[in-house]
Amino acid sequence: KQEVTQIPAALSVPEGENLVLNCSFTDSAIYNLQWFRQDPGKGLTSLLLIQSSQREQTSGRLNASLDKSSGRSTLYIAASQPGDSATYLCAVDNFNKFYFGSGTKLNVKP
Amino acid sequence: GAGVSQTPSNKVTEKGKYVELRCDPISGHTALYWYRQSLGQGPEFLIYFQGTGAADDSGLPNDRFFAVRPEGSVSTLKIQRTERGDSAVYLCASSFTPEAETQYFGPGTRLLVL
Repeated sequence: KQEVTQIPAALSVPEGENLVLNCSFTDSAIYNLQWFRQDPGKGLTSLLLIQSSQREQTSGRLNASLDKSSGRSTLYIAASQPGDSATYLCAVDNFNKFYFGSGTKLNVKP
Repeated sequence: GAGVSQTPSNKVTEKGKYVELRCDPISGHTALYWYRQSLGQGPEFLIYFQGTGAADDSGLPNDRFFAVRPEGSVSTLKIQRTERGDSAVYLCASSFTPEAETQYFGPGTRLLVL
């Protein structure tokens, strides 16, 4: 069974810092990997989707990379802002069955 | 446009009761997913529909859980003889097609079993 691990579980940084969130998975046979944002009491918002054949995706201040062979993905957030405070989840698609990590809870201090 | 909607937003019930949770996917989305999220954890896959049929129900924890999608649009997750351990947020997501597509999530139904 696919297992997804996210490190760190929580992160607190001052505004303006660049930061990296890590995701690892045990089964490299994936369709794609997605990074989501979850605000307290809310559903998930998709941030970036990386197909299994791709190495990275970028959207604004966010950049996600994928190394399928080593079972790793990173989410890079540039110039963090207080509005970035949320829980970030990665999910891998094992052929229409999705496995999520437990998330990284990010707090960006003004 | 309208996103994925879920009703009710909160449900409190007593142990042993039956509950139904509803999901309205984005119009035209053929794939629909149910997840369960416990506090401090990521969502856990329950079941995936492609059209009207359950393509994969391997995540349903036991036979007290059942889901339907009779017309290929709205889906209902049904839980019989609820237990306190069923308390969680139940999330629904949809995508246009299942293959390598972004999933769009609803806000969830927060279920509390007393």
